[in-house]
Amino acid sequence: AQTVTQSQPEMSVQEAETVTLSCTYDTSESNYYLFWYKQPPSRQMILVIRQEAYKQQNATENRFSVNFQKAAKSFSLKISDSQLGDTAMYFCAFMKHQNTGNQFYFGTGTSLTVIP
Amino acid sequence: GAVVSQHPSRVICKSGTSVKIECRSLDFQATTMFWYRQFPKQSLMLMATSNEGSKATYEQGVEKDKFLINHASLTLSTLTVTSAHPEDSSFYICSARRVTETQYFGPGTRLLVL
Repeated sequence: AQTVTQSQPEMSVQEAETVTLSCTYDTSESNYYLFWYKQPPSRQMILVIRQEAYKQQNATENRFSVNFQKAAKSFSLKISDSQLGDTAMYFCAFMKHQNTGNQFYFGTGTSLTVIP
Repeated sequence: GAVVSQHPSRVICKSGTSVKIECRSLDFQATTMFWYRQFPKQSLMLMATSNEGSKATYEQGVEKDKFLINHASLTLSTLTVTSAHPEDSSFYICSARRVTETQYFGPGTRLLVL
């Protein structure tokens, strides 16, 4: 079974600063996908960034980037120049390669507060 | 692109009644749709996976006769909570997946059973 662990239930960061959210996972699969989703107070789940395991290059999306360490099974999210709108619950998710299953395994989430 | 809608956004019903929640992919055809349940300050719990034209696959512990899922087309899936009770009160979220692996989520439905 796949497990996803987010060890930081709550975090805070000063506006314009940088923060890193951690995520580790456990799997015996070699080909899979990893995601970070954001859930603001509206509760709408929003895709932040995705990473294919076979790609060594870390994914980036504007102020969001990941540090993907496949051997260590670690997938942390770095938010640069934090903005008030980044305040949300952040979920890390794992999915096996689509040909072997399409279920998402979610972590327990990290609640991020950006302080003005 | 990749917009998923849910209707209604919130519903209040009496115990014993049935409630239907619709999930639509507005600008793409979804090969697979998923239904989740989320309790306050907790993660998403997968209830079932549905593919168009076939029976849904339910997760362990989820009563299929209680939570009826119909995936009538590539853009519409419905979840019906039958004979709802107060313990069914929760936030229900659907997601849809295109050919690629990414899931796109609806805005959720808050159900309150009195």
